[in-house]
Amino acid sequence: ETGVTQSPTHLIKTRGQQVTLRCSSQSGHNTVSWYQQALGQGPQFIFQYYREEENGRGNFPPRFSGLQFPNYSSELNVNALELDDSALYLCASSLAGTSLGTEQFFGPGTRLTVL
Amino acid sequence: GDSVTQMEGPVTLSEEAFLTINCTYTATGYPSLFWYVQYPGEGLQLLLKATKADDKGSNKGFEATYRKETTSFHLEKGSVQVSDSAVYFCALKRGNTPLVFGKGTRLSVIA
Repeated sequence: ETGVTQSPTHLIKTRGQQVTLRCSSQSGHNTVSWYQQALGQGPQFIFQYYREEENGRGNFPPRFSGLQFPNYSSELNVNALELDDSALYLCASSLAGTSLGTEQFFGPGTRLTVL
Repeated sequence: GDSVTQMEGPVTLSEEAFLTINCTYTATGYPSLFWYVQYPGEGLQLLLKATKADDKGSNKGFEATYRKETTSFHLEKGSVQVSDSAVYFCALKRGNTPLVFGKGTRLSVIA
């Protein structure tokens, strides 16, 4: 069983640029959630995708967008980067529709630095 | 809305000391409760969970009991090791809603 993987591990961008982060779900999982973890803070929910559609969103502006693909892998896109977007971005997968849907499995994260 | 409050860190303990990290929550209904651990430079790992009142989650010597009457889920370990040094996050989840995390408590264990 393959766990959740994310790429890249680290990324440095400048203000105004765009970035795409990638996530591969754990085998058999159909739901992907993305979280932003600022330094010294707990993770904050960005959005969730189930069967290729966004089905939940946290308090993040529209310049944060995502995709989920038929193989349940996912992308997080951030446009017009701001300094405050510097954070660890975590992807988590789960299996919705079962009692196991309450448990999410996290990837190692992508550390984004915006200069 | 739902929220989680956990004790401020950092917490510094000597090896073999007793650990308690307090966590309280506010939520409608009956959430599931979790403790996640984050080792330096890594993502989150589920440490333990409890899905209903009076359930006790346990793993690797850590324990936490779901107390509905006090809306708490305090993390305890009888004898910490240097390898337990990490940041610990308390979290709650209701059904298919997203996880709601506390701010985290950094634990440092010194030999």
